[in-house]
Amino acid sequence: GAVVSQHPSWVICKSGTSVKIECRSLDFQATTMFWYRQFPKQSLMLMATSNEGSKATYEQGVEKDKFLINHASLTLSTLTVTSAHPEDSSFYICSAGGLGSWGQPQHFGDGTRLSIL
Amino acid sequence: DQQVKQNSPSLSVQEGRISILNCDYTNSMFDYFLWYKKYPAEGPTFLISISSIKDKNEDGRFTVFLNKSAKHLSLHIVPSQPGDSAVYFCAASESSGDKLTFGTGTRLAVRP
Repeated sequence: GAVVSQHPSWVICKSGTSVKIECRSLDFQATTMFWYRQFPKQSLMLMATSNEGSKATYEQGVEKDKFLINHASLTLSTLTVTSAHPEDSSFYICSAGGLGSWGQPQHFGDGTRLSIL
Repeated sequence: DQQVKQNSPSLSVQEGRISILNCDYTNSMFDYFLWYKKYPAEGPTFLISISSIKDKNEDGRFTVFLNKSAKHLSLHIVPSQPGDSAVYFCAASESSGDKLTFGTGTRLAVRP
């Protein structure tokens, strides 16, 4: 089946550091990828839609200058949390929908736990 | 504005019995519905989906029912197994492949 790989799985870093998270589709081409965030005991909230070759679409309330998204190829999207602060600590998850994905579900990566000290 | 709601935060079921997880939505533009299973610190795993043109979809032990007029869907797991213990999220989108709006999740515990 479709596989989405996310890396790293866990990051601990100091406040002010920028952190890059990668999301790869391993066996299909993904024109669209999605980035979600989950706070403890809460639901998954969509942050942005990443479109291959064009700018990402951000949800209301998500700072595009803080959460930089790049989708340079059909198999890779990256999320960079710039100048991270403790309030950015969360679980970040990507998902991918492939070409001709009508009727096909989104598949998710295993997530990245980000802890900012 | 929570467009997808799971009103039961937790559910406990005896092994072998049926588990019924419920989900309600408010956005009439939603056309495609999914159920995911999730363990802590892992991404959601897809279980089953249904489009709005159907009212039932079955895959092994999992059946999803959709009542469009009531804006309600449910996931039936029968028979329930201890390995089914996890948090279950329903999700909805305006079309397949589109961004998902998730419910708040229901923690299922299947007792041996």
